[in-house]
Amino acid sequence: RKEVEQDPGPFNVPEGATVAFNCTYSNSASQSFFWYRQDCRKEPKLLMSVYSSGNEDGRFTAQLNRASQYISLLIRDSKLSDSATYLCVVYSYGQNFVFGPGTRLSVLP
Amino acid sequence: SAVISQKPSRDICQRGTSLTIQCQVDSQVTMMFWYRQQPGQSLTLIATANQGSEATYESGFVIDKFPISRPNLTFSTLTVSNMSPEDSSIYLCSVGHGTYEQYFGPGTRLTVT
Repeated sequence: RKEVEQDPGPFNVPEGATVAFNCTYSNSASQSFFWYRQDCRKEPKLLMSVYSSGNEDGRFTAQLNRASQYISLLIRDSKLSDSATYLCVVYSYGQNFVFGPGTRLSVLP
Repeated sequence: SAVISQKPSRDICQRGTSLTIQCQVDSQVTMMFWYRQQPGQSLTLIATANQGSEATYESGFVIDKFPISRPNLTFSTLTVSNMSPEDSSIYLCSVGHGTYEQYFGPGTRLTVT
């Protein structure tokens, strides 16, 4: 089993749609969790950290379920500018940072 | 967040040669990392660049192939040694503070012929 797995995608959604991505991780001792977005031919940029209580930033909501070892990202009211690859990242002490393979999102007009 | 620059932004190199990539940050940072992103794939951590001591390498990466320097809290270099076409990749440095959030440089796109 891979350390961090994500929905394979791609997700093609119309503008205004709500879309959700899932990410699962194998190390139950993992401590910190993040979502990054990466535009084509650009570096990854931090979208949000994921906290145990869940957190929201505008149209974006992240959830963490430690018991089931998964993280989710919900995007509401999708914009064309949300088109990117979304990377799930897990940090574990001793294992360091592990990036998921990414889920590609295309928001269509 | 810190402003991070990398040099060169891209290069085309012949097999058997070495390339040194520089990463400069506009403020002092505790954590610096080097990643590789092969074509069509996600990021893989190469090593943690430790200031004043040897880098800490991840499984599958060795110092002889990827020597790293970190002379101070704002600068690091990664050398890709004795290159082969399999080393063609994007190399990214990142910095972080205590919360483990990372900020990435723009990357160096390396092609080995």
